[in-house]
Amino acid sequence: EAGVAQSPRYKIIEKRQSVAFWCNPISGHATLYWYQQILGQGPKLLIQFQNNGVVDDSQLPKDRFSAERLKGVDSTLKIQPAKLEDSAVYLCASSLVAAPSGQFFGPGTRLTVL
Amino acid sequence: AQSVSQHNHHVILSEAASLELGCNYSYGGTVNLFWYVQYPGQHLQLLLKYFSGDPLVKGIKGFEAEFIKSKFSFNLRKPSVQWSDTAEYFCAVNGKSNYQLIWGAGTKLIIKP
Repeated sequence: EAGVAQSPRYKIIEKRQSVAFWCNPISGHATLYWYQQILGQGPKLLIQFQNNGVVDDSQLPKDRFSAERLKGVDSTLKIQPAKLEDSAVYLCASSLVAAPSGQFFGPGTRLTVL
Repeated sequence: AQSVSQHNHHVILSEAASLELGCNYSYGGTVNLFWYVQYPGQHLQLLLKYFSGDPLVKGIKGFEAEFIKSKFSFNLRKPSVQWSDTAEYFCAVNGKSNYQLIWGAGTKLIIKP
């Protein structure tokens, strides 16, 4: 079974630039999560999708972050414009249903904002 | 609000030593509890979980954790660690009213061969 795919694996940008991350969940998984993991901290949920609808985006900084999951499969997370404090690893996870025990994680994208 | 506290950010042990990583949570209701592990260069993966029943749960690779409700704790244990256990370990919790995980800051475990 193929796992959760993410790209790119690494990205370095300057502040005020834009960046986008892509996630392809495990086939058939209806629920998709984006997490932000800052160095020395645990993951923080940014947004949760159920198919192509948003379940929770209460912790997404909507003035600069956006995410979409067209057709209920792949998802993109965008930051525009980036700030220094956005430097983190962005993790994508998916699950069959909205249940934490079934979350499978991708390798993450390490973003460095200079 | 729910929160998870992991007491040690870094732990260094020799092979064959016993391991206990602390995890405490704050939440007044019924909880599900998890330990995740991230080996160097690999993805986060589930180590073990507690939903209900026997408070002593066993996971992969010889790990176990005990849920002590009165202490709001879910400590991870292994009687004899191996060099391959070097990894970062995360405790997470969710209340049964929602499916979102609240994560601890993680504990980096280094096993000296």
